[in-house]
Amino acid sequence: SQQGEEDPQALSIQEGENATMNCSYKTSINNLQWYRQNSGRGLVHLILIRSNEREKHSGRLRVTLDTSKKSSSLLITASRAADTASYFCATDAGGYIFGTGTRLKVLA
Amino acid sequence: NAGVMQNPRHLVRRRGQEARLRCSPMKGHSHVYWYRQLPEEGLKFMVYLQKENIIDESGMPKERFSAEFPKEGPSILRIQQVVRGDSAAYFCASSPSYGELKTEAFFGQGTRLTVV
Repeated sequence: SQQGEEDPQALSIQEGENATMNCSYKTSINNLQWYRQNSGRGLVHLILIRSNEREKHSGRLRVTLDTSKKSSSLLITASRAADTASYFCATDAGGYIFGTGTRLKVLA
Repeated sequence: NAGVMQNPRHLVRRRGQEARLRCSPMKGHSHVYWYRQLPEEGLKFMVYLQKENIIDESGMPKERFSAEFPKEGPSILRIQQVVRGDSAAYFCASSPSYGELKTEAFFGQGTRLTVV
């Protein structure tokens, strides 16, 4: 089974709203990463958070990590139509292990 | 510095033929990962390779699939005697390090395999 599981599977919001996606994983990690995939394209790395970090920011992105709960969240603030994509978390268990993704749709 | 290069971008094979997918990692990267993605689904890990070594092939089907990353040249994912169920997008990624200081993976644009 997949190491990471994102929640929700799909999310539809209005432009300007915030989008929150969650990721749960199973084993201990050194770091957790979030990626974005536009339809039919390769994944693009967004942000990496190490196991000794609790929160990290990058532009409109905010990532939290709770290693005791084995979970992470990705918050996109002031969303834009261009944020429409699938978002995946990945853990560094050997090969990067990806979850099933959250499909985000931002309506203009 | 070119990114991860995959070719071909699209590959059509008849059932029973062989498919060979190539991946050239980013310059300086010695770790390569292959993933399979079905439409509307996540990426399924297949295999993790370093130069001349398979590190983790726990996601590879036991039959018909093989992967290599030779000392010289690209990494190759080979699928023998393809079946319709092999139709998917196959992504390759590379990274420069492993372990405590593992960094992000860089992805190619994928090879879309269609088996007819």
